[in-house]
Amino acid sequence: EAEVAQSPRYKITEKSQAVAFWCDPISGHATLYWYRQILGQGPELLVQFQDESVVDDSQLPKDRFSAERLKGVDSTLKIQPAELGDSAMYLCASSPTGTGQEKLFFGSGTQLSVL
Amino acid sequence: GQNIDQPTEMTATEGAIVQINCTYQTSGFNGLFWYQQHAGEAPTFLSYNVLDGLEEKGRFSSFLSRSKGYSYLLLKELQMKDSASYLCAVRSLPGSARQLTFGSGTQLTVLP
Repeated sequence: EAEVAQSPRYKITEKSQAVAFWCDPISGHATLYWYRQILGQGPELLVQFQDESVVDDSQLPKDRFSAERLKGVDSTLKIQPAELGDSAMYLCASSPTGTGQEKLFFGSGTQLSVL
Repeated sequence: GQNIDQPTEMTATEGAIVQINCTYQTSGFNGLFWYQQHAGEAPTFLSYNVLDGLEEKGRFSSFLSRSKGYSYLLLKELQMKDSASYLCAVRSLPGSARQLTFGSGTQLTVLP
């Protein structure tokens, strides 16, 4: 079965440094999501793309976070500068159109530790 | 906006039945999902309900009452591998922001 690819699997960085995460959704999936999950909590949506367009980034801290999906395929999430509170699991997910009963397919995530 | 509530933790014995409840308040409803998440891993899809009633899939069943803003996940014949976090997620209507919102999850521990 096709999978959502994410890298790196783990990232350790110091505060004030820049970090970037990459996601390659399942081929043909138009909708791509970036979620942040703090230990013991549910995933929180950071940004949602429909093809190359952002349809929801209301919860993205835009002073330090940015996301792009230039060709409507793979996507990059960047944090600059990283803060201690950014330590979390960053999950990428995709779905064919993002509507109705479509389930989300999640990648394995990037575990970020900011020291 | 959306508000989703589920118990933080539950404990059950191997072979038993457990019911995990989820209540939600939403400005527009377009379906409810249950996901399973083992520690350090990505969530995996378990079930989807959009109409009232019970959906059964093997050992897992999910129930929805839209008028009550209530759902539950029923796990039968519990196995040790069922120890995980169970996430309730609500999808809002098309065109709404944050179309899929997750609850904080219920950590289930299955004891021998």
